[in-house]
Amino acid sequence: DTGVSQNPRHKITKRGQNVTFRCDPISEHNRLYWYRQTLGQGPEFLTYFQNEAQLEKSRLLSDRFSAERPKGSFSTLEIQRTEQGDSAMYLCASSLAFGQARYEQYFGPGTRLTVT
Amino acid sequence: QKEVEQNSGPLSVPEGAIASLNCTYSDRGSQSFFWYRQYSGKSPELIMSIYSNGDKEDGRFTAQLNKASQYVSLLIRDSQPSDSATYLCAAPRTGGYNKLIFGAGTRLAVHP
Repeated sequence: DTGVSQNPRHKITKRGQNVTFRCDPISEHNRLYWYRQTLGQGPEFLTYFQNEAQLEKSRLLSDRFSAERPKGSFSTLEIQRTEQGDSAMYLCASSLAFGQARYEQYFGPGTRLTVT
Repeated sequence: QKEVEQNSGPLSVPEGAIASLNCTYSDRGSQSFFWYRQYSGKSPELIMSIYSNGDKEDGRFTAQLNKASQYVSLLIRDSQPSDSATYLCAAPRTGGYNKLIFGAGTRLAVHP
């Protein structure tokens, strides 16, 4: 079990550019979550996948944000036309789908985005 | 009222002491609660989960849950400088797909 992995770990981009992040969940986990965290705050939910289906999206996820999870394995989060307010740590988490452990989410190392 | 509330700290304790971290929540339907530890610049790490009233112990950590008072706490015994981190309390929002609602975290500083 190698844990949740995310790439890249850091991304610096200019305002207006598009960026894409990748998350590989723990292999037996079919639930995948994206969160965003800014300094001094706890993570805030962005979106949730069960297998390949995107079942919930936060109102935080504007039209510039899109997420996919093709084939129910890895997931990508794309931000189009980045703004300085998008600067944050983007966190991916995964969990099992059944049993009490379905509530236990394990986070990847995160992707720190800086928009200049 | 925030859904999950924590004192931001910092909470400063001497090495070897017991650190007590508190969290209150507003959703009476919440059934499970989690404590994450987050070192500066790193991602949250799950350290404790608790699902029923009472205490749950794991090594130097004890989680306490009181659903009637809507209160969760984390005790760290024999605190070490390596315990210095931000501790996040979280609960899944009821009626959804278990997305976690986090408090803003309490910063703990353990000094030698």
